[in-house]
Amino acid sequence: GAGVSQSPSNKVTEKGKDVELRCDPISGHTALYWYRQSLGQGLEFLIYFQGNSAPDKSGLPSDRFSAERTGGSVSTLTIQRTQQEDSAVYLCASSSDGGNTIYFGEGSWLTVV
Amino acid sequence: QKEVEQNSGPLSVPEGAIASLNCTYSDRGSQSFFWYRQYSGKSPELIMFIYSNGDKEDGRFTAQLNKASQYVSLLIRDSQPSDSATYLCASDSMDTGRRALTFGSGTRLQVQP
Repeated sequence: GAGVSQSPSNKVTEKGKDVELRCDPISGHTALYWYRQSLGQGLEFLIYFQGNSAPDKSGLPSDRFSAERTGGSVSTLTIQRTQQEDSAVYLCASSSDGGNTIYFGEGSWLTVV
Repeated sequence: QKEVEQNSGPLSVPEGAIASLNCTYSDRGSQSFFWYRQYSGKSPELIMFIYSNGDKEDGRFTAQLNKASQYVSLLIRDSQPSDSATYLCASDSMDTGRRALTFGSGTRLQVQP
């Protein structure tokens, strides 16, 4: 696609429920990143994919968080047993192979009530 | 922990003035540096990147890099109210397997009409 596409754009969920956030990167981009941004805060790195593998998942805050990428394209970030502190904007970004300029999607706004 | 530091602001300048945004980084291995602009409620968008010491100009924007001082800055000439946003500084990392950018927490710029 023309840009990084994320869904859902907004999600309100009850504490303890699982959520899945989807990212479709720019066509041809092999690198994919997930970041999290809490209200008024900077961007917190979560995980990086190169192709389908994740060389760096050091930013995942707990074992409730997981992510996968299939077919070298779409990625899903899953948060199990959501907590109120998980409320944030989850931003996906992608870059081309060998490039380190990343382009962001519009984000998925998650609210845990 | 590799860090990127920015003054959170807000930095307030009158319309038509030069806005100067500053950033320091701790990873001496970083090679490339990026400035993103983020409007409230929107995702970050890339303004400029720089990887060589000195100045790089693009329209009203000038990025400056001093690797010896580990200092990056962004100058915005003839500031406009539409430039009011949060400006995020980011650097890459030479950590093995880490291709993601490390972001500062951002400086909020207010351009007064």
